[in-house]
Amino acid sequence: GESVGLHLPTLSVQEGDNSIINCAYSNSASDYFIWYKQESGKGPQFIIDIRSNMDKRQGQRVTVLLNKTVKHLSLQIAATQPGDSAVYFCAENPRGYSTLTFGKGTMLLVSP
Amino acid sequence: GAVVSQHPSWVICKSGTSVKIECRSLDFQATTMFWYRQFPKQSLMLMATSNEGSKATYEQGVEKDKFLINHASLTLSTLTVTSAHPEDSSFYICSARGGRATGTQYFGPGTRLLVL
Repeated sequence: GESVGLHLPTLSVQEGDNSIINCAYSNSASDYFIWYKQESGKGPQFIIDIRSNMDKRQGQRVTVLLNKTVKHLSLQIAATQPGDSAVYFCAENPRGYSTLTFGKGTMLLVSP
Repeated sequence: GAVVSQHPSWVICKSGTSVKIECRSLDFQATTMFWYRQFPKQSLMLMATSNEGSKATYEQGVEKDKFLINHASLTLSTLTVTSAHPEDSSFYICSARGGRATGTQYFGPGTRLLVL
């Protein structure tokens, strides 16, 4: 299930399940979005990106969905594995700006 | 491809000393590098943006005289925390982006700073 911790929402799933991590972004002018995975004590790792002219993009075991109407982004991970346990951040890039704005992050815990 | 390194990976220093952190893009030229700070269980906070050969742009609330940034080449940026204090203890992460103005940032592994 999903719960809200002191700072970080947490999603707990069983190995083999599909995981869906959600993100509400703030700027309707954002036209580029990225999902990052951050393991404990490490820097964020690029997973997948999507531009605003698309509503779905698939990678290996991951799919990103973009709903611009409600400013919502989701990351779907198929057949979740223990190695997927990490904090996942969405990031948005407003059009005309060079910087990324990061969401608060979701911790994914995968039980064997 | 798109590998970014940071050095050191961790550092412990005494209060009042200065600490330099290096960020390198290993296999691409980084026209822009970014420095972030991250507290435990929190998101990344952008501190500053640096473009090669020009002065860094600092985010609101970040003291430019305390966090000195130099981006002398297309593969190297440095962050110097001057006169560090315990409240500067944090996880500092750099990222680098090549080419286009809006594009993927690739992150370094981070530097853990502990100021005693």
